[in-house]
Amino acid sequence: AQSVTQLDSQVPVFEEAPVELRCNYSSSVSVYLFWYVQYPNQGLQLLLKYLSGSTLVESINGFEAEFNKSQTSFHLRKPSVHISDTAEYFCALQIQGAQKLVFGQGTRLTINP
Amino acid sequence: GAVVSQHPSWVICKSGTSVKIECRSLDFQATTMFWYRQFPKQSLMLMATSNEGSKATYEQGVEKDKFLINHASLTLSTLTVTSAHPEDSSFYICSARDGGTGKTQYFGPGTRLLVL
Repeated sequence: AQSVTQLDSQVPVFEEAPVELRCNYSSSVSVYLFWYVQYPNQGLQLLLKYLSGSTLVESINGFEAEFNKSQTSFHLRKPSVHISDTAEYFCALQIQGAQKLVFGQGTRLTINP
Repeated sequence: GAVVSQHPSWVICKSGTSVKIECRSLDFQATTMFWYRQFPKQSLMLMATSNEGSKATYEQGVEKDKFLINHASLTLSTLTVTSAHPEDSSFYICSARDGGTGKTQYFGPGTRLLVL
């Protein structure tokens, strides 16, 4: 069975500080990996995804994630966070050829001024 | 592009009544739609997978007679919570898979249901 583990349920950081949200996955077959962001009382928005090719993927708002097959990780990073980045972040995997997404437990990112 | 809408955004109903939630893909055709349930401060729980023109596939433990799913067109899926009870109160989120690219799910804004 496949699983996604987000190691931190909550991450508090100061504004303009760097942040890393950790995500590890388990799968015996090839997967696609995703990061979604959920703002309060809203649905999920796709932040970035790894399907194939370059292992470093970037979003338009400064986040990046690196697919590391040997460590089965897909950590999300941002060099300098803003108050507006306060949200819940979900890591998810999808088996190649399958339809379902398997979500991690989520990490609440709180930015303090 | 890849916008998914849900209606209503929130609904309050009396116990015993039925509630219908619509999920639409606005600018793409979605051969597959998914329905999730999210409890406060928790992750998303997949309830069912809906393929256009066929019966939905429900996850283990989800009552198919209570949560009726219809996917009549490539842009619309509906979830009907029948004979709602207070324990059905939750945040329901749909997603749609782009039939073109096929690999990414796009999520709706969610519907908050409160059953009194």
